[in-house]
Amino acid sequence: ILNVEQSPQSLHVQEGDSTNFTCSFPSSNFYALHWYRWETAKSPEALFVMTLNGDEKKKGRISATLNTKEGYSYLYIKGSQPEDSATYLCAFKSGAGSYQLTFGKGTKLSVIP
Amino acid sequence: DSGVTQTPKHLITATGQRVTLRCSPRSGDLSVYWYQQSLDQGLQFLIQYYNGEERAKGNILERFSAQQFPDLHSELNLSSLELGDSALYFCASSVFAANSPLHFGNGTRLTVT
Repeated sequence: ILNVEQSPQSLHVQEGDSTNFTCSFPSSNFYALHWYRWETAKSPEALFVMTLNGDEKKKGRISATLNTKEGYSYLYIKGSQPEDSATYLCAFKSGAGSYQLTFGKGTKLSVIP
Repeated sequence: DSGVTQTPKHLITATGQRVTLRCSPRSGDLSVYWYQQSLDQGLQFLIQYYNGEERAKGNILERFSAQQFPDLHSELNLSSLELGDSALYFCASSVFAANSPLHFGNGTRLTVT
């Protein structure tokens, strides 16, 4: 069973604050790390797919970094806005045989206006 | 709109019954994934198909089965339903490259009474 951990579980920030959260995954047999954004009453939407150690991806005010050797990825949100309020999920795919994409439980972000 | 269609949106049924959930993937996507989200749980991987063939299996109960048809739509069959099977069931599709993002449907909310 692959262990994908996300921290913190939930986070409240003021509008305009920058924030970040962590996804930890097995450091062996890495293949890909996904980030998704999941708004209430909607379905998860892909933000990034990262495959290379040291990779950094950016989409507007959201960016992510990847360290496959130590098994973690950070998601950063610069200047949080109320519309950023959502649960952010990461998902890990191992390179060892299975095609399974294992999700963490997510970090629930609430941005207070 | 992700392009992934799930039906029905809601399903209420009694214990011991059998139901079928249906998923039409995004046009061009060959791979279909099924996930279960129960209360306080993350997205639990059930099963994945690629072009009609099973490619990965998660902690799917023996009472559950799935298939992907030649037109690429998929069905998840849940039988001998128990109260604990009440959950949100998501289907997702992707182009089958292991580093391609998943596109999620809106889910089927199953309530077993």
